Amino acid sequence: EAGVTQFPSHSVIEKGQTVTLRCDPISGHDNLYWYRRVMGKEIKFLLHFVKESKQDESGMPNNRFLAERTGGTYSTLKVQPAELEDSGVYFCASSPRGALAKNIQYFGAGTRLSVL
Amino acid sequence: AQSVTQLDSHVSVSEGTPVLLRCNYSSSYSPSLFWYVQHPNKGLQLLLKYTSAATLVKGINGFEAEFKKSETSFHLTKPSAHMSDAAEYFCVVRPPLGFGNEKLTFGTGTRLTIIP
Repeated sequence: EAGVTQFPSHSVIEKGQTVTLRCDPISGHDNLYWYRRVMGKEIKFLLHFVKESKQDESGMPNNRFLAERTGGTYSTLKVQPAELEDSGVYFCASSPRGALAKNIQYFGAGTRLSVL
Repeated sequence: AQSVTQLDSHVSVSEGTPVLLRCNYSSSYSPSLFWYVQHPNKGLQLLLKYTSAATLVKGINGFEAEFKKSETSFHLTKPSAHMSDAAEYFCVVRPPLGFGNEKLTFGTGTRLTIIP
């Protein structure tokens, strides 16, 4: 069974450009989460989807960030326009719904975003 | 509210000696606690979890952790370090199931170096 897959693994862009990160969760997982680690800081929660609905987006830093999960399968996280402070590693995680979740979130390898 | 403090940003031990990675948490409820590990260029992998059952939790690769409510600690240990244990380790807290909030709160990470 494939794990959580993230694309690209590394992205280098200039300030003001747009970048779109993609996450493919484990097949059948209704829950999808985005987290971010800015250099030198802890990994922080961004938002949580249940299927295609945003359950909790309290961690989104500002309106330059837009997350979508059309059809409840893969998700994209767009940053437009990117700023220097957006640099970091963006992680995606997924888990099944309800009791099957067993309280565990499964993580991808992350996308390293460098804004120059 | 919940928070996690990992007391050491770097730990170095010799191969074959014990490992101790320290974690203290703060929570206004009885939380679930986890240790995740990240090897270079890999995703975050779950090592073990505590969810209000036995206070001594055994995980993969010989790691274990003990939940001590009186000390609000969840330290990670291993009797004998192996070279393959070199990685970054994260202590994580989340609300219990049914709390309506599934966001994980991470510590800042401890980088473990194994000396041959």
